[in-house]
Amino acid sequence: ETGVTQSPTHLIKTRGQQVTLRCSSQSGHNTVSWYQQALGQGPQFIFQYYREEENGRGNFPPRFSGLQFPNYSSELNVNALELDDSALYLCASSPAGRASFADTQYFGPGTRLTVL
Amino acid sequence: AQSVTQPDIHITVSEGASLELRCNYSYGATPYLFWYVQSPGQGLQLLLKYFSGDTLVQGIKGFEAEFKRSQSSFNLRKPSVHWSDAAEYFCAVGSNFGNEKLTFGTGTRLTIIP
Repeated sequence: ETGVTQSPTHLIKTRGQQVTLRCSSQSGHNTVSWYQQALGQGPQFIFQYYREEENGRGNFPPRFSGLQFPNYSSELNVNALELDDSALYLCASSPAGRASFADTQYFGPGTRLTVL
Repeated sequence: AQSVTQPDIHITVSEGASLELRCNYSYGATPYLFWYVQSPGQGLQLLLKYFSGDTLVQGIKGFEAEFKRSQSSFNLRKPSVHWSDAAEYFCAVGSNFGNEKLTFGTGTRLTIIP
């Protein structure tokens, strides 16, 4: 079962700018999570949304924010970009009937963000 | 805080040989454990997961993993690797409690030689 898409594939921004990354989950997937994967590292949990409400947040500053929409799409917004924000950003959706981290997550291919 | 350690950064295995990737976790209760695989330019794909019950878990692509509570380990195994198994493998521990959600290890890169 796949079908999670992300856009854009690649993005180049300069320090201080703002960026919006988008994710489209499969129909019926009420839970979406966002992860940051720096080069050579495992993904790090940014936050999770369940039915348009934030359900848990990792160790990321408030300039990382998100939205989830009723049509199973979601956004990750990052303000005041820093060089260290350069990474692959992954979204993952889950068909869980409740907010959960115990259920299978289906990952998109990611957006590669480069901050210059 | 929960954590995952994958002690092997890079492993090279001959095609047809057996494989074991190590994963150790730190968590105060029975964890939810996962193995994911990531091919170049791709997202992560779930290989298998453990929540409770039988400690030997079967997954896709012929992989299995064994949960050993006494060793805090969840090692991934495959009896005979194929060239297509070359990828990055991530172990992860999940929790629905507190602020500790899904934590990934740093990954093990698997290279297959003919």
